[in-house]
Amino acid sequence: EVQLVESGGGLVKPGGSLRLSCAASGFTFSNAWMSWVRQAPGKGLEWVGRIKDKSNRGTIDYAAPVKGRFTISRDDSKSMLYLQMNSLKSEDTAVYYCTRERSDHGDYCLDYWGQGTLVTVSS
Amino acid sequence: DIQMTQSPSSLSASEGDRVTITCRASRSISTYINWFHQKPGKAPKLLIYAASSLQSGVPSRFSGSGSGTEFTLTISSLQPEDFATYFCQQSYNTPRTFGQGTKVEMK
Repeated sequence: EVQLVESGGGLVKPGGSLRLSCAASGFTFSNAWMSWVRQAPGKGLEWVGRIKDKSNRGTIDYAAPVKGRFTISRDDSKSMLYLQMNSLKSEDTAVYYCTRERSDHGDYCLDYWGQGTLVTVSS
Repeated sequence: DIQMTQSPSSLSASEGDRVTITCRASRSISTYINWFHQKPGKAPKLLIYAASSLQSGVPSRFSGSGSGTEFTLTISSLQPEDFATYFCQQSYNTPRTFGQGTKVEMK
């Protein structure tokens, strides 16, 4: 059974930093493309970024609002995905979801999601 | 960035109704579109990928169609568990972008 479990959310002051983690199991993590998606309270879904697998050079893409402030990384030996968030702003307040982007057969879709972790940026 | 525009933003329907939600892309995305639904307090769940392929385990009352810039998600006979918010998402390029959502409510 595929499981994605996020942790690390919490309350942080504007300008502060936080690192989210996502523990993956039930699939070959090292072959997977992994993404972060966020959802502000009462709002829609916003793609944050994605990291490809090593066979695709581990390429990382970011959404414009977080580029230069957020860093996605992975540890394939531990089946862990990370999101380092720096220079946090109030508009970064959201539930952050760890997701797997299925990339075989040319189907690019977010087929598994974690339960989400809430990040609140407030003074 | 590719903009995804969903319509309607909300709709009221009854159990057994046929429901159609539309998503329009700001430029052609071939069939690189996925559909999700989300219930309050829960993570989104993939329903349809690549415009018309049913995700494993999803009931056959859900179907998707379209290519290029116009897409539809259809629920052939609405069930109580289908009252939720529905999102489309393009996977043609990055940044991946989502529609703003369609809330399906009970009439």
